[in-house]
Amino acid sequence: ETGVTQTPRHLVMGMTNKKSLKCEQHLGHNAMYWYKQSAKKPLELMFVYSLEERVENNSVPSRFSPECPNSSHLFLHLHTLQPEDSALYLCASSQDGAGGGEQYFGPGTRLTVT
Amino acid sequence: DAKTTQPTSMDCAEGRAANLPCNHSTISGNEYVYWYRQIHSQGPQYIIHGLKNNETNEMASLIITEDRKSSTLILPHATLRDTAVYYCIAGSSNTGKLIFGQGTTLQVKP
Repeated sequence: ETGVTQTPRHLVMGMTNKKSLKCEQHLGHNAMYWYKQSAKKPLELMFVYSLEERVENNSVPSRFSPECPNSSHLFLHLHTLQPEDSALYLCASSQDGAGGGEQYFGPGTRLTVT
Repeated sequence: DAKTTQPTSMDCAEGRAANLPCNHSTISGNEYVYWYRQIHSQGPQYIIHGLKNNETNEMASLIITEDRKSSTLILPHATLRDTAVYYCIAGSSNTGKLIFGQGTTLQVKP
C-alpha cells in the first residue's frame, strides 16, 4: 500500500531534541489526520486538517505542533518530548465531506523518547 | 459519536467464515458503521462501511440489523493473514472523527 507514506518509520530521540514526522498522501484526498497509538491503548485522534486548515485539535500538548502546507503533505513537529510520548504515530487521509470516515492510513512512525 | 461494544477476542478456523459482532445501540440516524482492521504494528486498514443497508465488497460483508443497533462483519473464507484486531466504529461521515475502541482480536487458526 503506497497511498499514504510516512517517514521516518522509526525514530529515537532525546527529550531535548527537535524532530519532525512527515506524511504524504498520493490519493488526491483533501483531509489529513494524525493519530497516536500507545502500547495497549486504542488509537487517539490528535489533529484533523481539512483543505489545509486545522479543524480539530484534541487537547494535544503544545510540544506537538502540526503543519499542513498543502493537501498532500502533513508534518508533526516534535520538541521537548517526554518518555510517555513514545508511541506509534499514524497519519491518515480521506476525501473530505461524505468520505470523511473512510480513511486510509500510513504505516506509522515508531517513536521512542529516551 | 456513538459508543460501540465488541468482544475482546475470537477464534476462527482457516477457510471458515468469521463473523464479528458489534453493538451500537446509541447510534444516531446520520452515523455510519465503519469497520477497520489492524495487523500487528501496521496502520489500520479500512474494510467497509454502511448506513442502513447491507454492504459487500471484495474484502467482507456488513450486515446491519433493521433497528441499526448492531451489526456483523463477515469474512467469508478466513485466512491466516486475516489475523488482526478488528475495530467497529460508529461515526459521522462528515466530520471524519473516528473514535477507536479496543476492538476484537481475531485469531485465525490452521
